[in-house]
Amino acid sequence: GAGVSQSPRYKVAKRGQDVALRCDPISGHVSLFWYQQALGQGPEFLTYFQNEAQLDKSGLPSDRFFAERPEGSVSTLKIQRTQQEDSAVYLCASSLAGTGYTFGSGTRLTVV
Amino acid sequence: GESVGLHLPTLSVQEGDNSIINCAYSNSASDYFIWYKQESGKGPQFIIDIRSNMDKRQGQRVTVLLNKTVKHLSLQIAATQPGDSAVYFCAVVPSGGYNKLIFGAGTRLAVHP
Repeated sequence: GAGVSQSPRYKVAKRGQDVALRCDPISGHVSLFWYQQALGQGPEFLTYFQNEAQLDKSGLPSDRFFAERPEGSVSTLKIQRTQQEDSAVYLCASSLAGTGYTFGSGTRLTVV
Repeated sequence: GESVGLHLPTLSVQEGDNSIINCAYSNSASDYFIWYKQESGKGPQFIIDIRSNMDKRQGQRVTVLLNKTVKHLSLQIAATQPGDSAVYFCAVVPSGGYNKLIFGAGTRLAVHP
């Protein structure tokens, strides 16, 4: 597609609920990144995929966070047993060759 | 590791004035630098980038300056317009990695008519 698409745009979850956030990268983009952006802060790296391989997950805050990209295109970020501190905007970015990162509009997650 | 910091959290300017947003980074081996603009409810939008082998790069109304000696990066916006109002982030790509972006905390630019 023309840009990076993320869904849903907004998600309200009750504490303890599991959520799944979707990212559709630009077609053909090899690299895919997930970032977490707390209110008033810069985005923080969560995880990186090159095609279907998850090469770095060092930024995932806990084992409740899990990401996948099984066919090297669409990616899903899953958060189990959500906590209030998980409330943030989750951004996805894709890149063709290490430059020209394009970000989606993000999913705003609110845990109540 | 790499850390990125910004000197001013908020910058207010008059429409038509020039704006300068500053950023400091810690790793002298950093390879690639990008400025992003983020409007409310949107993801970061690419403005301009510069590689470590350059000191200056110009775009349309924007200029990025890189001072590797003091590990400082700045974004200059000429003739600032109301549509420039947003949060601006610098992001650094450390050398030797796979292009993971490390962001600073951001500077909010407010343009007054």
